[in-house]
Amino acid sequence: GQQLNQSPQSMFIQEGEDVSMNCTSSSIFNTWLWYKQDPGEGPVLLIALYKAGELTSNGRLTAQFGTTRKDSFLNISASIPSDVGIYFCAGQGYGNKLVFGAGTILRVKS
Amino acid sequence: KAGVTQTPRYLIKTRGQQVTLSCSPISGHRSVSWYQQTPGQGLQFLFEYFSETQRNKGNFPGRFSGRQFSNSRSEMNVSTLELGDSALYLCASSLVAPGNTEAFFGQGTRLTVV
Repeated sequence: GQQLNQSPQSMFIQEGEDVSMNCTSSSIFNTWLWYKQDPGEGPVLLIALYKAGELTSNGRLTAQFGTTRKDSFLNISASIPSDVGIYFCAGQGYGNKLVFGAGTILRVKS
Repeated sequence: KAGVTQTPRYLIKTRGQQVTLSCSPISGHRSVSWYQQTPGQGLQFLFEYFSETQRNKGNFPGRFSGRQFSNSRSEMNVSTLELGDSALYLCASSLVAPGNTEAFFGQGTRLTVV
């Protein structure tokens, strides 16, 4: 089946640093979504991308839909302690089925 | 606007039993998808319902089934529970409109099989 490679697996950064994570796929997706999940909660949608090359921001978060439609990245600028959590990318192809990356665990040292 | 509501939040069942989980989507959303999340396998797609019809199905055994009602609420059933079914079960609802297929998740139901 479809697979998404998300990297890095985890990051431990200093408060105030910028963060970058990405996802790559062997398949083309029509939509890329980025989610954040806190322990014991469901994933919360951060950014949705619909067009190849699209660059979208949500506050300190910026995400891009790769031009090949097989990759996407998420940047977080000036990280703060509440950014801690697991970040997932998801590709949406046929129908509404989402294929998820394995997640990036973000820890912030204040 | 209320978000996606899943009940119950926590559940403990014994091997061999069956369980039914419920999901109420965001008002106006007609698509409901179910996912299983485990530490080892991550988030795995179970199935999607749209207008009371199963539209997509993942690679799970037939013990996993679902249905959707006319008000878009959905239920997921797992029969003959196994220890490996212990997981966080997440439901996501989508509007499904041109240019808008974003999926919004509920808080999940934590199922523990003992």
